[in-house]
Amino acid sequence: SAVISQKPSRDICQRGTSLTIQCQVDSQVTMMFWYRQQPGQSLTLIATANQGSEATYESGFVIDKFPISRPNLTFSTLTVSNMSPEDSSIYLCSVADGILGNQPQHFGDGTRLSIL
Amino acid sequence: KQEVTQIPAALSVPEGENLVLNCSFTDSAIYNLQWFRQDPGKGLTSLLLIQSSQREQTSGRLNASLDKSSGRSTLYIAASQPGDSATYLCAVRYNYGQNFVFGPGTRLSVLP
Repeated sequence: SAVISQKPSRDICQRGTSLTIQCQVDSQVTMMFWYRQQPGQSLTLIATANQGSEATYESGFVIDKFPISRPNLTFSTLTVSNMSPEDSSIYLCSVADGILGNQPQHFGDGTRLSIL
Repeated sequence: KQEVTQIPAALSVPEGENLVLNCSFTDSAIYNLQWFRQDPGKGLTSLLLIQSSQREQTSGRLNASLDKSSGRSTLYIAASQPGDSATYLCAVRYNYGQNFVFGPGTRLSVLP
């Protein structure tokens, strides 16, 4: 299965600042996703990162707040903009090869983000 | 609304016990279901993927079963060990090409 590396693994940030999280995969994958896991909650999909085009955002998430890049088939970034304490969460990168459903979906170790 | 529930929310057992974790989904016409493990503060580790045409999947001490008619999946862990302590998440893909719907998880503690 694909090996997924996320950076940073954790960070403590000031209110109003922005942080970019990187996701690197050791092989080319078709689908890349970004999830959020708020404290004590399960996972919520933020968006699907599309190579060479704008990400597809889920309801409740907008590009201005969570801009995403995916320049190639092995790398993506998620930026959390103008952070507030409510953004304190674990952010997870996930990948799947092929059309969703045929292969297992895999996750990185996540980025634990705390906003003061 | 497509939902996934997991019972119990938390479970504590002594080492060596066999245990069952439950996952329920609202629509029996699912495409597949995947079980994950999450250690505290970490990402998800894929355990088993079970397609809608399958009744069960096995990996080592883990066995996942699927009963679409009753809207349930179970994860059976044999001879539990302290290293099995983690949160176990069930994720359901209701349609081909659709993203997962995640359950809230079961937090498992295996006591030495």
